[in-house]
Amino acid sequence: DAKTTQPPSMDCAEGRAANLPCNHSTISGNEYVYWYRQIHSQGPQYIIHGLKNNETNEMASLIITEDRKSSTLILPHATLRDTAVYYCINNNAGNMLTFGGGTRLMVKP
Amino acid sequence: DAGVTQSPTHLIKTRGQHVTLRCSPISGHKSVSWYQQVLGQGPQFIFQYYEKEERGRGNFPDRFSARQFPNYSSELNVNALLLGDSALYLCASSLSSGRATQYFGPGTRLLVL
Repeated sequence: DAKTTQPPSMDCAEGRAANLPCNHSTISGNEYVYWYRQIHSQGPQYIIHGLKNNETNEMASLIITEDRKSSTLILPHATLRDTAVYYCINNNAGNMLTFGGGTRLMVKP
Repeated sequence: DAGVTQSPTHLIKTRGQHVTLRCSPISGHKSVSWYQQVLGQGPQFIFQYYEKEERGRGNFPDRFSARQFPNYSSELNVNALLLGDSALYLCASSLSSGRATQYFGPGTRLLVL
């Protein structure tokens, strides 16, 4: 079973920031937080990952709380092409990603 | 650079048949993982192979098997197909077995009738 909890769906207006929350209250000290997304009919796409510091790349920013029990993925300027299911995953084994239900993000014009 | 490629893209089989799905990883990647995604659910881990050895196995029956070749490509085999095996089968590659940054192919959609 997935060790993370995410809202099943969210809406966001095009051009606005999309903030996707994830609870991982049982995360262990050596587990990273990974985010993937899956656009309809495609394979999942890696977005970003972090351990305890906030991270930013060309796709998104990842904010991890100090106690590491939750995190937020931020898409700073959502576009229609960001409509997808977003998965938050805790991982330390590398070889097995455990996907939960994810958050279905709908970006609306 | 080419991403992960999978073949075929779609496949229709009947119950009891056997199927072989193929995956070519990104050049330089030595690890391949397989996932099954049933409609409406997240992907479920089936196998990971690294340097031709199995490094991880998910909770799937023995009807599912896989192997990795010297060029790091991989095959997933499913015997005695059941209706419940209908799913999108995803292959992901990574540089090594200890990397959770995996790059997924487009998948093979299998329909079992």
